[in-house]
Amino acid sequence: DTEVTQTPKHLVMGMTNKKSLKCEQHMGHRAMYWYKQKAKKPPELMFVYSYEKLSINESVPSRFSPECPNSSLLNLHLHALQPEDSALYLCASSQLWDRGSGYTQYFGPGTRLTVL
Amino acid sequence: KNQVEQSPQSLIILEGKNCTLQCNYTVSPFSNLRWYKQDTGRGPVSLTIMTFSENTKSNGRYTATLDADTKQSSLHITASQLSDSASYICVVSYSGNTPLVFGKGTRLSVIA
Repeated sequence: DTEVTQTPKHLVMGMTNKKSLKCEQHMGHRAMYWYKQKAKKPPELMFVYSYEKLSINESVPSRFSPECPNSSLLNLHLHALQPEDSALYLCASSQLWDRGSGYTQYFGPGTRLTVL
Repeated sequence: KNQVEQSPQSLIILEGKNCTLQCNYTVSPFSNLRWYKQDTGRGPVSLTIMTFSENTKSNGRYTATLDADTKQSSLHITASQLSDSASYICVVSYSGNTPLVFGKGTRLSVIA
């Protein structure tokens, strides 16, 4: 199984809503990532988890709250988002993570988020 | 500044034709370079990965080359198919504080 799954595929939410994005992998990977991708732009790294601990937070606003409950799951909790947060949110995983990034990242299909 | 530049920005070719996409980078020290294919609204899928010592890597009809001296890479697609229509993203790793540096991608459209 070389698949990263993400749910939901699409999400529409108001600025006062609280929602969560979910990501799951069963490849035994110990590094998981959240990226944000705007249209026609490359993915932008948000968070890196290594062995279920947050290793990198790329100065992401606190209205985005990541959570890694176990080695297979990664959540992104959303609260009080702004319309400019509308984007494709990608989850990825790799066998391990180090700053040299010699490990291939496998991406999920993404969640298309629209904030009204 | 660590950057990855890709060209052309977009490309349209006829089905069955070959094409070559370019990637220039200034990332240093260099660790490895990957090419990803991303269909619209989907996550990127890894095509090839090359380290400093590798010059060529193939994956079916996709062949990537790397010249670490000039810091250039290319992705050659042979006998293009309609399903090759996607964005192709060059991604470079280095031993710095940011795991990956993404190029902006080349949008390829293959038409019948």
